[in-house]
Amino acid sequence: AQTVTQSQPEMSVQEAETVTLSCTYDTSESDYYLFWYKQPPSRQMILVIRQEAYKQQNATENRFSVNFQKAAKSFSLKISDSQLGDAAMYFCAYRISYSGGGADGLTFGKGTHLIIQP
Amino acid sequence: GAVVSQHPSRVICKSGTSVKIECRSLDFQATTMFWYRQFPKQSLMLMATSNEGSKATYEQGVEKDKFLINHASLTLSTLTVTSAHPEDSSFYICSARATGGNEKLFFGSGTQLSVL
Repeated sequence: AQTVTQSQPEMSVQEAETVTLSCTYDTSESDYYLFWYKQPPSRQMILVIRQEAYKQQNATENRFSVNFQKAAKSFSLKISDSQLGDAAMYFCAYRISYSGGGADGLTFGKGTHLIIQP
Repeated sequence: GAVVSQHPSRVICKSGTSVKIECRSLDFQATTMFWYRQFPKQSLMLMATSNEGSKATYEQGVEKDKFLINHASLTLSTLTVTSAHPEDSSFYICSARATGGNEKLFFGSGTQLSVL
């Protein structure tokens, strides 16, 4: 079974600084997707960034970037120029590549609570 | 962008009653929908995978007779919590994948269920 581990229950960063959230995962699959989701107090799940395992290039989305190390099964999220609106729970998630059978929901880590200090 | 509508957003019910939660994809067809449960300050746990026109696939430890899932059309999946008890109180979230099998998933806004 796949597992996703986020070892930082809480992180705090000064506004405008950079913070990195860590995530490791375990899988025997070679083709899969990794995600970072943001869950603000509204509890709406918001996709931050997505990485396909077969792509060596790290995904980036504006101030958000990942460091994907496939051999180490590590997938960290870097947030640059942190803003107050970035404060939220961040979940790392894994999914096997589309199998056609439909049984491929997301496996989430336990989450990291990110606090932005003004 | 794609929208998934989930309602009700909040429901309070008495122990022993049944509650139905709806998840609709508003501007796309969803062959597959997923149901998650999130306890306070915890992560999302996959409960079941719902494929249009077929029986849902439940994760280990999830009682299929208690959590009835119906996916009768390409735009609607429902989760019915039967004979709800206080321990079923939780935040339930659905997500939908568009027809075609791409990797994009869209989440509903969730339903907070409180069983008295």
